Amino acid sequence: AQTVTQSQPEMSVQEAETVTLSCTYDTSENNYYLFWYKQPPSRQMILVIRQEAYKQQNATENRFSVNFQKAAKSFSLKISDSQLGDTAMYFCAFMKQYGGATNKLIFGTGTLLAVQP
Amino acid sequence: DTEVTQTPKHLVMGMTNKKSLKCEQHMGHRAMYWYKQKAKKPPELMFVYSYEKLSINESVPSRFSPECPNSSLLNLHLHALQPEDSALYLCASSQSQGAYNSPLHFGNGTRLTVT
Repeated sequence: AQTVTQSQPEMSVQEAETVTLSCTYDTSENNYYLFWYKQPPSRQMILVIRQEAYKQQNATENRFSVNFQKAAKSFSLKISDSQLGDTAMYFCAFMKQYGGATNKLIFGTGTLLAVQP
Repeated sequence: DTEVTQTPKHLVMGMTNKKSLKCEQHMGHRAMYWYKQKAKKPPELMFVYSYEKLSINESVPSRFSPECPNSSLLNLHLHALQPEDSALYLCASSQSQGAYNSPLHFGNGTRLTVT
């Protein structure tokens, strides 16, 4: 069974600073995908960034980038130039590449990020 | 603006009531999902519909009854709920079910309180 662990329940960062959120996972699969979702107070879950396990290059989306370490089973999210609108709960998630009809996202426990003015 | 619309935004119901949550998307997605989320916890998958057929039921109690009338609509019928069922109920959709290149689009959720 796959598990996703986020060891930082809460974090705080000053506006314009950089912050890194940690995520580790456990799987015996070789091919899979990893995601970061954010959930602001508006409650909507929004996809931030995704990474294919077979790609060595780390994914980037504007101010968001990941550090994917496959051997260590680590998938951290770096937010550069933090903005007040980045305040949200961040969930790391895992999905197998070939899961068939029962394939589903496995979420971590979340990290609550507060960006301070 | 969210492309997945959920109604109502808030719902308070007694344990003997019958109510329904509604979800609608017009992105042509063929997979739709119900999740339950408690405060400061990750979403827990409840049901998945793929091409209007139920493909995953995560052993959800029968007091929750999903329905997918067509590819754009997803309902969750509620009956004889318990106070512990109070939570945020999230609907999501994706182009296809279980595929990496088909990310989930979530609605804003319905905040349910059972009294």
